[in-house]
Amino acid sequence: DAGITQSPRHKVTETGTPVTLRCHQTENHRYMYWYRQDPGHGLRLIHYSYGVKDTDKGEVSDGYSVSRSKTEDFLLTLESATSSQTSVYFCAIPSNTGELFFGEGSRLTVL
Amino acid sequence: AQKITQTQPGMFVQEKEAVTLDCTYDTSDQSYGLFWYKQPSSGEMIFLIYQGSYDEQNATEGRYSLNFQKARKSANLVISASQLGDSAMYFCAMREEYNFNKFYFGSGTKLNVKP
Repeated sequence: DAGITQSPRHKVTETGTPVTLRCHQTENHRYMYWYRQDPGHGLRLIHYSYGVKDTDKGEVSDGYSVSRSKTEDFLLTLESATSSQTSVYFCAIPSNTGELFFGEGSRLTVL
Repeated sequence: AQKITQTQPGMFVQEKEAVTLDCTYDTSDQSYGLFWYKQPSSGEMIFLIYQGSYDEQNATEGRYSLNFQKARKSANLVISASQLGDSAMYFCAMREEYNFNKFYFGSGTKLNVKP
């Protein structure tokens, strides 16, 4: 199995506080993706990376920023969390056979 | 416009019967991939089956098959001989190979298998 881990797995925070989610891979893959999952919307792409320091916006990038200073780490930051950002966040990388391989997910609750 | 459309929010099927989950997609690319994922209540995303846009035959993986109709831009998942363990959310996804390999997902179908 591809090695991809997310941290934290669960977080409760208050509106207006900054939050950073970390995705770590051991597959040395060039591409990494952050998705959020909400009922009725499926998974929506927030940001993606195609190499170290190479990132771009996805469908729902407002309120989020990312950084990729090393191949293995892709960080998702909510500068000032809002209740609308309560969601389950998935990090993913392409597998060797082409499908997307997902981390375990990070459940974020913004009160 | 939606890239992936799943029009069935929820479905029921009797155990041991076959079920079809619908998926339509929208792309102007010639080269793309279509995928189905299963998400049980535990939350992990499980890859089920893949169909390439140039594949002439429908993909099959055990009890899963993908009914690919390119002209209609549809990629329906067929599960044969449903089992109780098939109860889960199912997501259709498309990868655009000339667009940073980005994957787009549908809103999902919740399948309930009745004993």
